[in-house]
Amino acid sequence: AQSVTQLGSHVSVSEGALVLLRCNYSSSVPPYLFWYVQYPNQGLQLLLKYTSAATLVKGINGFEAEFKKSETSFHLTKPSAHMSDAAEYFCAVSDPGGSYIPTFGRGTSLIVHP
Amino acid sequence: DVKVTQSSRYLVKRTGEKVFLECVQDMDHENMFWYRQDPGLGLRLIYFSYDVKMKEKGDIPEGYSVSREKKERFSLILESASTNQTSMYLCASSPGTGVGKLFFGSGTQLSVL
Repeated sequence: AQSVTQLGSHVSVSEGALVLLRCNYSSSVPPYLFWYVQYPNQGLQLLLKYTSAATLVKGINGFEAEFKKSETSFHLTKPSAHMSDAAEYFCAVSDPGGSYIPTFGRGTSLIVHP
Repeated sequence: DVKVTQSSRYLVKRTGEKVFLECVQDMDHENMFWYRQDPGLGLRLIYFSYDVKMKEKGDIPEGYSVSREKKERFSLILESASTNQTSMYLCASSPGTGVGKLFFGSGTQLSVL
């Protein structure tokens, strides 16, 4: 079985500050990992994905995430927050040798203050 | 761009009504999914389908059924709506070798009164 834990249901930062959203995974096999973003009144869209290539993955809108096997983590970062980054962020894990269906975390709401 | 379209953005129904939520994708994807999203619970998989007329139960199928008569269309059915089914419903699709990358619709906010 696979699962993800997102630490913190809400994260608040000031505009221009570092964004760090935490995700830890549990998987019996080397996983595929994803970050999705959901802007208000929209569906989810893929920010970035890790599929066993480079451990540092760059995504859209200046976000990146690093796969750390020893820590079973896949934290999402952005050096400088922008007001438009305010959204709900979901980490997800899938089993590349299994059903491929991602299991989602509970989500973290990013609040950006001016 | 891949487009996943859900027929209604907001829906209000009465307890006991039969409810149909429709989803259409335009990218010839094999796989389609229905999730419900609740605050603090994230996304939970209700049903998915990997081919026409094929369906598999997800994590919370109770009280729901699905239909996939055509490749591009995946319908979620609430046979007898209950208040605990008030939620945001998200449809998604992916290609057969999508390795977990899903394309989502904008969601249907269903309120059951």
